[in-house]
Amino acid sequence: GAGVSQTPSNKVTEKGKYVELRCDPISGHTALYWYRQSLGQGPEFLIYFQGTGAADDSGLPNDRFFAVRPEGSVSTLKIQRTERGDSAVYLCASSLSTGGYTDTQYFGPGTRLTVL
Amino acid sequence: AQSVTQLDSQVPVFEEAPVELRCNYSSSVSVYLFWYVQYPNQGLQLLLKYLSGSTLVKGINGFEAEFNKSQTSFHLRKPSVHISDTAEYFCAVSPLMEYGNKLVFGAGTILRVKS
Repeated sequence: GAGVSQTPSNKVTEKGKYVELRCDPISGHTALYWYRQSLGQGPEFLIYFQGTGAADDSGLPNDRFFAVRPEGSVSTLKIQRTERGDSAVYLCASSLSTGGYTDTQYFGPGTRLTVL
Repeated sequence: AQSVTQLDSQVPVFEEAPVELRCNYSSSVSVYLFWYVQYPNQGLQLLLKYLSGSTLVKGINGFEAEFNKSQTSFHLRKPSVHISDTAEYFCAVSPLMEYGNKLVFGAGTILRVKS
């Protein structure tokens, strides 16, 4: 079946602009995660959704970052007033999350954000 | 809080040679351990995971890893590598919790297999 998809694959924007990054999880997966991967580093956790609600947003770096998942499927990561330091690959992952905390996370290909 | 250290940023190795990618972690609570692989221009893919039980875990593509609690290590090994194993490998941990298992990743090790 289809895996996790993310759009766009690449996004170039100017400093100060607003951007939205979209994630389509695997059908039926109730858990959804966002990570950010800066150059030369491993992915860094941003936020975790269980269904429609953000169960853990402790990784969001500041209030310019916000994410939603209104119907418990597609999620959008929103970044306001972008800064050059926001340039990174933004990864989305989903898992079944049947209540066990050992579910495998399946990752999308990522969105490469470049802030000029 | 948890942290993961991958001791080698790059590991060059000849085809059919054995390889070990090292991973150490730090955590004040019990964790699960994972290795993910990222092939060029592809997303992260789970290679193997340790949840409990036998400390030797076998994964896909002939990889295995051994959990050593006393040394807080989870090194990845393969007895004979192929050109197709060229990729970046990430070690990750996840603290035990009731829901969700946010992953804490290391910085990654690039494995370059040469012919």
